Amino acid sequence: AQSVAQPEDQVNVAEGNPLTVKCTYSVSGNPYLFWYVQYPNRGLQFLLKYITGDNLVKGSYGFEAEFNKSQTSFHLKKPSALVSDSALYFCAVRPYLNTGFQKLVFGTGTRLLVSP
Amino acid sequence: DVKVTQSSRYLVKRTGEKVFLECVQDMDHENMFWYRQDPGLGLRLIYFSYDVKMKEKGDIPEGYSVSREKKERFSLILESASTNQTSMYLCASSQDGKTYEQYFGPGTRLTVT
Repeated sequence: AQSVAQPEDQVNVAEGNPLTVKCTYSVSGNPYLFWYVQYPNRGLQFLLKYITGDNLVKGSYGFEAEFNKSQTSFHLKKPSALVSDSALYFCAVRPYLNTGFQKLVFGTGTRLLVSP
Repeated sequence: DVKVTQSSRYLVKRTGEKVFLECVQDMDHENMFWYRQDPGLGLRLIYFSYDVKMKEKGDIPEGYSVSREKKERFSLILESASTNQTSMYLCASSQDGKTYEQYFGPGTRLTVT
């Protein structure tokens, strides 16, 4: 069964510094990987996804993520954090399988706190 | 832009009441989902539907049922609300196909007293 681990409950970073939010996954076959962000009292917003191709994926709001197959990781990164990036971030995975309906499995979330 | 709307942002119900949460999407998506979100547990799938009148159990269906009479509308029903169903409920929709991301509504924070 597929699973996602977000090992950090919270990440603290100063504004202007680079940020990384970690995600590792376990799935049968090749994965489809997603990052979502949730601002306070809001639903989840899609940030970016990895389907195939270039291991570095660029998404919304200046975020990017690097797919590393050997380490089964898909860490979210941003070169320069903004206070407005403070939110809850979720990593999600679904397997590449040809049969059946494949569910999206979410991690437990990582709260990002960017200080001024 | 895809828009997913949920009938209520906040809801307070009493134990034993029947509760209806409604979700509507405007992008003709085939798939619709209901999740609950709890601190430290992330999102857990309750039910999903890949077509009108079709439904499948997710990971935590106990105490819930769903209805999808029209393609754009997916309802979650708590037959007899209990305090352990106090949670944030999120609806989502997606196009058919493995590569398509899910689009989420704003959520309904349900409190059962």
